[in-house]
Amino acid sequence: SQQGEEDPQALSIQEGENATMNCSYKTSINNLQWYRQNSGRGLVHLILIRSNEREKHSGRLRVTLDTSKKSSSLLITASRAADTASYFCATAGGQAGTALIFGKGTTLSVSS
Amino acid sequence: EAGVAQSPRYKIIEKRQSVAFWCNPISGHATLYWYQQILGQGPKLLIQFQNNGVVDDSQLPKDRFSAERLKGVDSTLKIQPAKLEDSAVYLCASSHGTSGRGETQYFGPGTRLLVL
Repeated sequence: SQQGEEDPQALSIQEGENATMNCSYKTSINNLQWYRQNSGRGLVHLILIRSNEREKHSGRLRVTLDTSKKSSSLLITASRAADTASYFCATAGGQAGTALIFGKGTTLSVSS
Repeated sequence: EAGVAQSPRYKIIEKRQSVAFWCNPISGHATLYWYQQILGQGPKLLIQFQNNGVVDDSQLPKDRFSAERLKGVDSTLKIQPAKLEDSAVYLCASSHGTSGRGETQYFGPGTRLLVL
């Protein structure tokens, strides 16, 4: 079953604009991760935020986590055409041995 | 370091045929995962190995899917017999540790399977 639900399903922006994607989940988590998937490729890990963290940055990426609302957001600043991809949030449960559960993803298209 | 290797990259088979996928994880990674990704959806875990033992295979359709990880390194995933609904990308991933607490996973390029 899929726990994370990304919103929006698709997003189209111009180069230089910011892109924001949201993820909601249902049960308690140990951490939440964001992955990127370029067309026809495997997934690439972007960032991991633990349940006791509220915000994390990595380059042009900013991730927030609100465990009270069971939601996370991924902000990509100053988007580039190369950011065109699908973005997935994945949650890790609180119990040892639980693997990641992925959402359906947000498809981001950045045009020049 | 070398990434996760998978082969073949593409496979087309007729329904009821069998097919096998191979995965070589990143050297030293104890945990290996197989995911199924249907078009337009996120990856769904099929099976998780820790070294050469199965940690989770609750979503593996065991009547037709099987997987093994001999010697705790390479792994193969087999489908026999294939159905039309098995058309998907099969992703292999690995992670370093054995805690299972949602470690960062490193994915291979995937095998795109089309069942006709």
